[in-house]
Amino acid sequence: NAGVTQTPKFRILKIGQSMTLQCTQDMNHNYMYWYRQDPGMGLKLIYYSVGAGITDKGEVPNGYNVSRSTTEDFPLRLELAAPSQTSVYFCASSGTGRGVNTEAFFGQGTRLTVV
Amino acid sequence: GQQVMQIPQYQHVQEGEDFTTYCNSSTTLSNIQWYKQRPGGHPVFLIQLVKSGEVKKQKRLTFQFGEAKKNSSLHITATQTTDVGTYFCAGGGFKTIFGAGTRLFVKA
Repeated sequence: NAGVTQTPKFRILKIGQSMTLQCTQDMNHNYMYWYRQDPGMGLKLIYYSVGAGITDKGEVPNGYNVSRSTTEDFPLRLELAAPSQTSVYFCASSGTGRGVNTEAFFGQGTRLTVV
Repeated sequence: GQQVMQIPQYQHVQEGEDFTTYCNSSTTLSNIQWYKQRPGGHPVFLIQLVKSGEVKKQKRLTFQFGEAKKNSSLHITATQTTDVGTYFCAGGGFKTIFGAGTRLFVKA
């Protein structure tokens, strides 16, 4: 059981370049999330999705885009990369139980550096 | 928007001492979750609290959810070096917002 898989694990981008961070889960979870974590800091919610075809902004959505065409996949797109987007990016998914979201499972993270 | 605040930011303890981290929300939460992140790792789920006033224990860890469902705490009794890491609370239902975390350092 793979859980949540993120690719790539590491990436260096030049300013102005774009890239897509991939995330897939095999637990049939409805909820999926993208967080960023700056060094020594907490997790900030970028975007989230409550099901295929439905996405919404989190706390820090500027500079990012997402899509959710299937239950399994939730890619994060960075357009025109900036140094401020240097961070570790975590994808997570969770299910539902008794009307609330259940525990979130996290991927291993993508360490992105923009130079 | 909803905010989840966590204190303290850092805590240094001697092995064997107790440790507590506190979590406060600006709004009533449907549930609160706690996660642990080891250095260089990803957050790992510890527990979820749903009911007002709920208390749950996991060995040396005690989790509480406030009566008003706006605050929570995690208490570790007699810390060990294996407890090192950052402890996060998270709330907000499907739009799960994380607190900034409390980083625990344990000196042997």
